[in-house]
Amino acid sequence: DVKVTQSSRYLVKRTGEKVFLECVQDMDHENMFWYRQDPGLGLRLIYFSYDVKMKEKGDIPEGYSVSREKKERFSLILESASTNQTSMYLCASSVVGQGLTEQYFGPGTRLTVT
Amino acid sequence: DQQVKQNSPSLSVQEGRISILNCDYTNSMFDYFLWYKKYPAEGPTFLISISSIKDKNEDGRFTVFLNKSAKHLSLHIVPSQPGDSAVYFCAASARFSGGSNYKLTFGKGTLLTVNP
Repeated sequence: DVKVTQSSRYLVKRTGEKVFLECVQDMDHENMFWYRQDPGLGLRLIYFSYDVKMKEKGDIPEGYSVSREKKERFSLILESASTNQTSMYLCASSVVGQGLTEQYFGPGTRLTVT
Repeated sequence: DQQVKQNSPSLSVQEGRISILNCDYTNSMFDYFLWYKKYPAEGPTFLISISSIKDKNEDGRFTVFLNKSAKHLSLHIVPSQPGDSAVYFCAASARFSGGSNYKLTFGKGTLLTVNP
């Protein structure tokens, strides 16, 4: 079974703090993704990584950065957390494929910024 | 600009009846379509997919239909069961920034409630 784990299920941070969200997958997948899910907005892609140290911006990268130093680990960084970054954050991974690449998701981290 | 649209935020059906969830898209470059199911406090899980060159794909109780001319797809669940109650996301796959990798664009989701 593919397993994608996220370091925390719930996190509460203060405005201005630097926040790290960690994601680990155990299936040797090349691709890893960070999404946020908000009510009425669905899942929106923040960043995508297709290899170690390689990254691409998604649809809403502003206020976020990422790090991929090892193939199995993909970190999302909020440099200075703001209240509008309160959300559910979902990590996913997939193999490289020709379009039909099923993404496997972690359980999510619900981040609250106060 | 919303490229994948799920216009019904919620749907309620009786156990044993058919559930039909709809999805519309605007980008002709999408080449695969996927449905994901999400329970509260869990990540989405893959349900079923269809290539843009097909018009139907079936897997047990789940069937996805694609109408390319109308840019419309639907997910049929027959018969519906209470355990199917979840949020269903439609997603479409296209090349990422013209490169060789693909990304998914998700709709906003439809909450399906199957009543016993």
